Amino acid sequence: GQNIDQPTEMTATEGAIVQINCTYQTSGFNGLFWYQQHAGEAPTFLSYNVLDGLEEKGRFSSFLSRSKGYSYLLLKELQMKDSASYLCAVRGRRDSNYQLIWGAGTKLIIKP
Amino acid sequence: GAVVSQHPSRVICKSGTSVKIECRSLDFQATTMFWYRQFPKQSLMLMATSNEGSKATYEQGVEKDKFLINHASLTLSTLTVTSAHPEDSSFYICSARGGPDGYSNQPQHFGDGTRLSIL
Repeated sequence: GQNIDQPTEMTATEGAIVQINCTYQTSGFNGLFWYQQHAGEAPTFLSYNVLDGLEEKGRFSSFLSRSKGYSYLLLKELQMKDSASYLCAVRGRRDSNYQLIWGAGTKLIIKP
Repeated sequence: GAVVSQHPSRVICKSGTSVKIECRSLDFQATTMFWYRQFPKQSLMLMATSNEGSKATYEQGVEKDKFLINHASLTLSTLTVTSAHPEDSSFYICSARGGPDGYSNQPQHFGDGTRLSIL
């Protein structure tokens, strides 16, 4: 089957660094996405990885290892506004099409 | 860029009412649009995928006669919840992506969502 695992909840301190892991098992692979979702709001796109390695975008970086079925989202210099759920999504093959398969999200709590 | 507008943001109505939600891509052509539903503290649940000019593909367990989807143009898709009941109360979110389904590496961009409350 197709499955995405990520921790349910994490807590970190303002100004620190946090790494949110995501492991996946999918039929086919055509990219991995990270989204941020604040409570009561729609998700917003953060990053996209399709090749192995690290993609850096400001305070956020995302890493992918296709052989391990593993990704992480790294958040640096944490701010209170980073408190949100972080969703890992993999574009995997379903029937004859590719479709995004969503993780349940990791709720990140930032403490002062 | 990549702005998706969803309207209305909130609807409160009586049981039995039909509710239409619009989703527009403002600065790109969305060949594929997706409709999701999300219950509190749960993950996104894909309801259906629609490609412009063709019938929507519904996920298992989603009633196509209950949730009518129209994707008549490259910038507009609508979801109509027909004869809504309290159990249909949820957060409905559309997303849009340019490029042909299955071949594009473009991310999905989301509308702001519609909070539907059926009394």
